[in-house]
Amino acid sequence: DSGVTQTPKHLITATGQRVTLRCSPRSGDLSVYWYQQSLDQGLQFLIQYYNGEERAKGNILERFSAQQFPDLHSELNLSSLELGDSALYFCASSLRWDGYTFGSGTRLTVV
Amino acid sequence: GDSVTQMEGPVTLSEEAFLTINCTYTATGYPSLFWYVQYPGEGLQLLLKATKADDKGSNKGFEATYRKETTSFHLEKGSVQVSDSAVYFCALASPGYSSASKIIFGSGTRLSIRP
Repeated sequence: DSGVTQTPKHLITATGQRVTLRCSPRSGDLSVYWYQQSLDQGLQFLIQYYNGEERAKGNILERFSAQQFPDLHSELNLSSLELGDSALYFCASSLRWDGYTFGSGTRLTVV
Repeated sequence: GDSVTQMEGPVTLSEEAFLTINCTYTATGYPSLFWYVQYPGEGLQLLLKATKADDKGSNKGFEATYRKETTSFHLEKGSVQVSDSAVYFCALASPGYSSASKIIFGSGTRLSIRP
């Protein structure tokens, strides 16, 4: 157990739907990062939050949004889902820039 | 911007062979460098890291040395095992102003070890 908890582990949904992925960071970590891992595109950085504030944005689609709550857990919302959104979504957390811990991911399948 | 380039896979070796996976980076300043490993069906695990030039990270028989002059962080292991079969990601993170900075990953190298 890495200390970073992601739920659900698996999600199957239809095109056009909306889903929410949840991440609880390791105790004491203030930063949360979201990554998307597709079969052919490696790991793509989506967004970072630090202590509730958005700090960096990567290749995140406008249909996707995220937030970090006062208890530091984070949610990634994916809407108007398309087949191409099927991927593994990872959350990572850190306190400083030299240590990151990843969760085990949420596998999203859009049918 | 910052970037990481690692050798393309897949890499297939026999058990007990010597392993090298090349990684080079482009970054401003003085990034930290990492190797992460992803076993089938699992998330990413930190394998080793180095935070300054000439540092050597090591773990589970794997080693990598932070070479600033060649901007490289090659992963090596003297004798691989079947259990080392996985995808290996080289990554960097630059210190962020007043907060942790995002990690930038290479494209990953799939390693398969034959018994």
